[in-house]
Amino acid sequence: AQRVTQPEKLLSVFKGAPVELKCNYSYSGSPELFWYVQYSRQRLQLLLRHISRESIKGFTADLNKGETSFHLKKPFAQEEDSAMYYCALRTSNFGNEKLTFGTGTRLTIIP
Amino acid sequence: KAGVTQTPRYLIKTRGQQVTLSCSPISGHRSVSWYQQTPGQGLQFLFEYFSETQRNKGNFPGRFSGRQFSNSRSEMNVSTLELGDSALYLCASSSTSGGTNEQYFGPGTRLTVT
Repeated sequence: AQRVTQPEKLLSVFKGAPVELKCNYSYSGSPELFWYVQYSRQRLQLLLRHISRESIKGFTADLNKGETSFHLKKPFAQEEDSAMYYCALRTSNFGNEKLTFGTGTRLTIIP
Repeated sequence: KAGVTQTPRYLIKTRGQQVTLSCSPISGHRSVSWYQQTPGQGLQFLFEYFSETQRNKGNFPGRFSGRQFSNSRSEMNVSTLELGDSALYLCASSSTSGGTNEQYFGPGTRLTVT
């Protein structure tokens, strides 16, 4: 069965320091991965997806099929990056498609 | 464009009762997905409706059901409520089915079962 693991429930980083949010997945098919973010008192929203290969708000994520990982990185953390981050895996199983989310990592940027 | 709306925002029900939650997607979106969010299990996919048909389904019991109307508004029904059904129920709309394109989430309905 498919699974998304975010090993860190909480992560605190100083402003200006690099950030890495870990995401590992388990899936026998061809994975499509996403990062969603929820800022305080806002709705869950898409941050980026691996097929886009783009940088959003300074964040990047590279799909590593060998390590089955999709870690989210930013070289210099900013205070506005404090939020809840969810990694999600899109799977298709006999035509049944869905997003499977990790349990999330709460990122706190220390001023 | 108006965002995804969910009603009601808060609900308190008693064990054994049933409940209906509503979700109005972004105009033009034909896909509505439902998720249950709890502190212990995180976000779990319930089901997705696209053009009035259930397209995809998670691993929830038959007490959880849904439907979608011709205007793409969707309802989710939970029958014979259990204490463990207390959760934040999120819906998300998208222009396509299956989660490939960006899903836009609503604010959620907080259901408390006593």
